[in-house]
Amino acid sequence: AQTVTQSQPEMSVQEAETVTLSCTYDTSENNYYLFWYKQPPSRQMILVIRQEAYKQQNATENRFSVNFQKAAKSFSLKISDSQLGDTAMYFCAFMKRWSRAGSYQLTFGKGTKLSVIP
Amino acid sequence: DAGVIQSPRHEVTEMGQEVTLRCKPISGHDYLFWYRQTMMRGLELLIYFNNNVPIDDSGMPEDRFSAKMPNASFSTLKIQPSEPRDSAVYFCASSIRTSGGLQETQYFGPGTRLLVL
Repeated sequence: AQTVTQSQPEMSVQEAETVTLSCTYDTSENNYYLFWYKQPPSRQMILVIRQEAYKQQNATENRFSVNFQKAAKSFSLKISDSQLGDTAMYFCAFMKRWSRAGSYQLTFGKGTKLSVIP
Repeated sequence: DAGVIQSPRHEVTEMGQEVTLRCKPISGHDYLFWYRQTMMRGLELLIYFNNNVPIDDSGMPEDRFSAKMPNASFSTLKIQPSEPRDSAVYFCASSIRTSGGLQETQYFGPGTRLLVL
């Protein structure tokens, strides 16, 4: 079974500054995806970024980038030039990349509540 | 594409009543997932379907919960009878499996906030 741990329940950052959210996971799988989802006060779950474990290069989406360390099983999210609209819960999630008969469920961490301060 | 559509967005009901939550996945997606989010347990998978067939329902809490997918564009999650501990946000998500057998990203609907009094 997979587990995902987010050790920072809450964080805050000044507008325009950079913040890094931590995530570690435990799995015996070799092929998998990792995700960061954002959940603003509206409760909508929004995909922020995705990383495929077989790819060496860290994923980047505009102001969002990840630091993926496969050996360390670490997957942190960096938000540059933080904006007020980034205020949300951020969830790290794991999913197997392929499974003949297993479950395709997402395993989520408990989340990190990020507040961007004007 | 309109994305995953869920209805209703909010539901308030009394204990013992039947509740039906609805989901329309993204067109062309062949996987559909139902998740529940609570403060205590976080996000947890209840059940998922592939090509309208339930594959894994091990997360369904008890017999009061049932889910169906009569066709590729519609699924329901039913709670009968409802209890206060069922109060949560229920998410539907869909994804597609590529021709190579790889699972792609799950896209979530806006959720249904359920309150059982």
